[in-house]
Amino acid sequence: SQQGEEDPQALSIQEGENATMNCSYKTSINNLQWYRQNSGRGLVHLILIRSNEREKHSGRLRVTLDTSKKSSSLLITASRAADTASYFCATDSGYNQGGKLIFGQGTELSVKP
Amino acid sequence: EAGVAQSPRYKIIEKRQSVAFWCNPISGHATLYWYQQILGQGPKLLIQFQNNGVVDDSQLPKDRFSAERLKGVDSTLKIQPAKLEDSAVYLCASSPRPDTDTQYFGPGTRLTVL
Repeated sequence: SQQGEEDPQALSIQEGENATMNCSYKTSINNLQWYRQNSGRGLVHLILIRSNEREKHSGRLRVTLDTSKKSSSLLITASRAADTASYFCATDSGYNQGGKLIFGQGTELSVKP
Repeated sequence: EAGVAQSPRYKIIEKRQSVAFWCNPISGHATLYWYQQILGQGPKLLIQFQNNGVVDDSQLPKDRFSAERLKGVDSTLKIQPAKLEDSAVYLCASSPRPDTDTQYFGPGTRLTVL
């Protein structure tokens, strides 16, 4: 079953603009992770935010988490053509709950040069 | 450090045929996962191994899918017989331990069932 729902399903922007993707989930979590998938490739881990954290940064990435609203957002600043990919959020309910990741449907980002 | 290896990268078969996928995880990673990713969707966990034991196979269609991880290293996923709806990318991932947050994914095997 899919835990996360992502919004928008597709996003097209110009190089240099910021891209924001949102993820909502249903049950309590231990952490929430964002992955990137280039066409025809496997997933690459981008960033992880724990349930007791509200915001996290990594390079041009900024992730926020609102556990009261069960939602997260991923912001990519100053986007580049190379950021074109699908982005997935994945929730982890913790080892005691099986430790498995449940992925959302993904947001397809297109960055035009 | 070498990443997760998968083969083949692409496979086209007729429905009712059998197919097998192979995965070699990152050296030393005890936990191995198989995911199914249908076009336009996120990956869905099929089975999780801890060493050579199954931790979770609740979403594995056991009437046609099987998986094994002999000796706790390489793993194979088999579909027999295949159906049209099995067309998907099959991703293998590994992590050092089941309580490790990050999973490392292979490039996947794209299966087309005609």
